[in-house]
Amino acid sequence: GNSVTQMEGPVTLSEEAFLTINCTYTATGYPSLFWYVQYPGEGLQLLLKATKADDKGSNKGFEATYRKETTSFHLEKGSVQVSDSAVYFCALSEVNTGFQKLVFGTGTRLLVSP
Amino acid sequence: GAGVSQSPRYKVAKRGQDVALRCDPISGHVSLFWYQQALGQGPEFLTYFQNEAQLDKSGLPSDRFFAERPEGSVSTLKIQRTQQEDSAVYLCASSLASGGGETQYFGPGTRLLVL
Repeated sequence: GNSVTQMEGPVTLSEEAFLTINCTYTATGYPSLFWYVQYPGEGLQLLLKATKADDKGSNKGFEATYRKETTSFHLEKGSVQVSDSAVYFCALSEVNTGFQKLVFGTGTRLLVSP
Repeated sequence: GAGVSQSPRYKVAKRGQDVALRCDPISGHVSLFWYQQALGQGPEFLTYFQNEAQLDKSGLPSDRFFAERPEGSVSTLKIQRTQQEDSAVYLCASSLASGGGETQYFGPGTRLLVL
């Protein structure tokens, strides 16, 4: 079945450091790919998405490129801030079911210190 | 406008009790999803509604779990005879349509603890 694998956390960085959170997927067909973020005490929020190969999603300085050849959707940010501390979830939508059922990874906690 | 709301935010139940969790989606959203999130894990799909029709319930873990959306708006997830393994955060999400790539908007979740 479809699945998403993302790097285990926590990822601990100092402010202004470069961030990469790896995400790879297994899917039949051509899913859409998403990064969701969960800030402390809040619900899941969409951070960015890409709906086809080679698309780049971007938002709030974060970027991820849909790489079909490596089945990856790694999240990057050039300079993290303390306010980026959160749990990040990579997800795909199963298009073969005719609707957008999301399959999530286990999440990666990011801790940014001043 | 208002986002997805869920109630209650926290629920403590004794094993064997029945619980009902409510979801108010964003007005006008056709699609509604329920997910279960165990501690330290990502959300897992439970069931999907398109308007009032429940089109997929393949993720419901047992026949103790039941969901409805009778008027195509508010949805209720009911768990009968709760067990300790039902302890989790239950997330509701809605989207404007059902196509691939549609953004799902999540509620804050209901944290259920079964003692």
